[in-house]
Amino acid sequence: QKEVEQNSGPLSVPEGAIASLNCTYSDRGSQSFFWYRQYSGKSPELIMFIYSNGDKEDGRFTAQLNKASQYVSLLIRDSQPSDSATYLCAGLWHRRFGAGTRLTVKP
Amino acid sequence: EAQVTQNPRYLITVTGKKLTVTCSQNMNHEYMSWYRQDPGLGLRQIYYSMNVEVTDKGDVPEGYKVSRKEKRNFPLILESPSPNQTSLYFCASSRDRGQPQHFGDGTRLSIL
Repeated sequence: QKEVEQNSGPLSVPEGAIASLNCTYSDRGSQSFFWYRQYSGKSPELIMFIYSNGDKEDGRFTAQLNKASQYVSLLIRDSQPSDSATYLCAGLWHRRFGAGTRLTVKP
Repeated sequence: EAQVTQNPRYLITVTGKKLTVTCSQNMNHEYMSWYRQDPGLGLRQIYYSMNVEVTDKGDVPEGYKVSRKEKRNFPLILESPSPNQTSLYFCASSRDRGQPQHFGDGTRLSIL
């Protein structure tokens, strides 16, 4: 059973817009999730983690956990071309990451 | 500088020829793990280690071996590599299992 799933295809937004990335999960007991960013040809790096229901904000990034609907989101405000990357979500045990959402921010 | 170091970065080899990918971390982390990344499948955990001499299977352990004789090192061994093990491999470490992972730069393996 997959920890998390990312089913959305590539996402393209204009510079300055809000990018919204989503991940669903199947284990109702899960309440801890991580978002990683992976630039092309590079290794994943941590963006944010969230350990409880609700929102967590860090600069332009906001992680949202909705336990009732079993999804976790990452919002990127004022998107920049440097945000163009693949974003991966993972559950607490990091056993299997989502396949990732490729974000392109167009100048 | 805190880092996870993998070697080699690239390797092309042939079916059946044993190979080892080394992984070393300098952060005194207890938890280490290996992943493979394939297009459309995301990162899948191969093996993990909670501490020295403590290892366990991840999601896709078949065809791989690991050992954890020292805290800093966690080599991945392919005893008899096959073409379906062609992939991008990442080693990662963290303070413990539920903490953010620090990844190495990756090893791209091609098994012909």
